[in-house]
Amino acid sequence: GAGVSQSPSNKVTEKGKDVELRCDPISGHTALYWYRQSLGQGLEFLIYFQGNSAPDKSGLPSDRFSAERTGGSVSTLTIQRTQQEDSAVYLCASSLLPGLAGGWAKNIQYFGAGTRLSVL
Amino acid sequence: AQKITQTQPGMFVQEKEAVTLDCTYDTSDPSYGLFWYKQPSSGEMIFLIYQGSYDQQNATEGRYSLNFQKARKSANLVISASQLGDSAMYFCAMREGPRETSGSRLTFGEGTQLTVNP
Repeated sequence: GAGVSQSPSNKVTEKGKDVELRCDPISGHTALYWYRQSLGQGLEFLIYFQGNSAPDKSGLPSDRFSAERTGGSVSTLTIQRTQQEDSAVYLCASSLLPGLAGGWAKNIQYFGAGTRLSVL
Repeated sequence: AQKITQTQPGMFVQEKEAVTLDCTYDTSDPSYGLFWYKQPSSGEMIFLIYQGSYDQQNATEGRYSLNFQKARKSANLVISASQLGDSAMYFCAMREGPRETSGSRLTFGEGTQLTVNP
């Protein structure tokens, strides 16, 4: 597709259930990022993928959160045993892989529309 | 300490007028990039404009320009000739580290809600 695609757009779940959020980045974008946007915390970084590996997982708030990326493309963010404080909008972004050529333009992160997660 | 500070929670502007949204940042890294995003009520984050720390000229992109004052560590967004469709939340963000390196996260400010009045 032309842009970053996220699904589902909305997810309502019960406390204690597991959820999976999907991100399909822009074709050709090697870097993929997950962020979380909540009223109290603003926009927070969760994890970064370069290809299929995740060199930076430092933003994941607990071991209930995990993410994977396959084929250098689609990524799935999984939240196990959801809690009410997990309610937020989860945003995915992708970018080209920065290099010597291309300057800061290669660092531009393009975002999807997000998944709004509500934990009851 | 806050790395990105947006001191205006809300701003109002008349249609067709110009508006400046403030952003100050804090970093000890000599190389960094500054980015502005727009988030309408639909929720999608839309990239607007960027400025590299070593860029000599202020960035411009259509009706958007960035007033970059490196010594003051400010990167204010100027929107000229405001339109009703500009009503949205605007976020300033920073990526630290050389532009050639990969994987640096964006750090966001709290955002400014802009309302354009007819």
